[in-house]
Amino acid sequence: GNSVTQMEGPVTLSEEAFLTINCTYTATGYPSLFWYVQYPGEGLQLLLKATKADDKGSNKGFEATYRKETTSFHLEKGSVQVSDSAVYFCALSGKIKAAGNKLTFGGGTRVLVKP
Amino acid sequence: DSGVTQTPKHLITATGQRVTLRCSPRSGDLSVYWYQQSLDQGLQFLIQYYNGEERAKGNILERFSAQQFPDLHSELNLSSLELGDSALYFCASSADRGQQETQYFGPGTRLLVL
Repeated sequence: GNSVTQMEGPVTLSEEAFLTINCTYTATGYPSLFWYVQYPGEGLQLLLKATKADDKGSNKGFEATYRKETTSFHLEKGSVQVSDSAVYFCALSGKIKAAGNKLTFGGGTRVLVKP
Repeated sequence: DSGVTQTPKHLITATGQRVTLRCSPRSGDLSVYWYQQSLDQGLQFLIQYYNGEERAKGNILERFSAQQFPDLHSELNLSSLELGDSALYFCASSADRGQQETQYFGPGTRLLVL
């Protein structure tokens, strides 16, 4: 079955530091890949997505590139802010519509940015 | 604001009881998904409904059931509750008109079973 593995946190950074969160996946076929973010006490928000190989998703300064050859979708941000403190989830969904579009999530990575 | 609403926001109940969680999808979305987030299991898919019909089932216990109504809102029923059912339950919706559709999440219902 499908699975997502992401680096365990917590990741603690200083403001303006570079952030990378690794994510690798196992899936049948060519899934779509997502990063969701969960701020304290809130639900999940879509951060970015990519639907095919070599696609780059980007939003709010975050980027991730769909790498089929390494089955990875690492999240990066060049200069983090305190407001980026949150839990980040990597997820995938398959492309077999009849089987449903369920999301398979990684375990989440907590990021703490200190001023 | 994702446009997905969930009620109640918090729920405290006792073991053995039954509760109903409610979800209203974004306007126009046909698919509703339920997920459970717990400390030990992480985020797990429970079940998906599409336009009133069950489409996919995940790790949903037999004590749990769901349905989607003609107005497309959905309810998740949890019965014979156990301590281990304490978790955050999310609903998500998508338009599901193409092969790959983004899911938008509600704020969740936090369930505490005492």
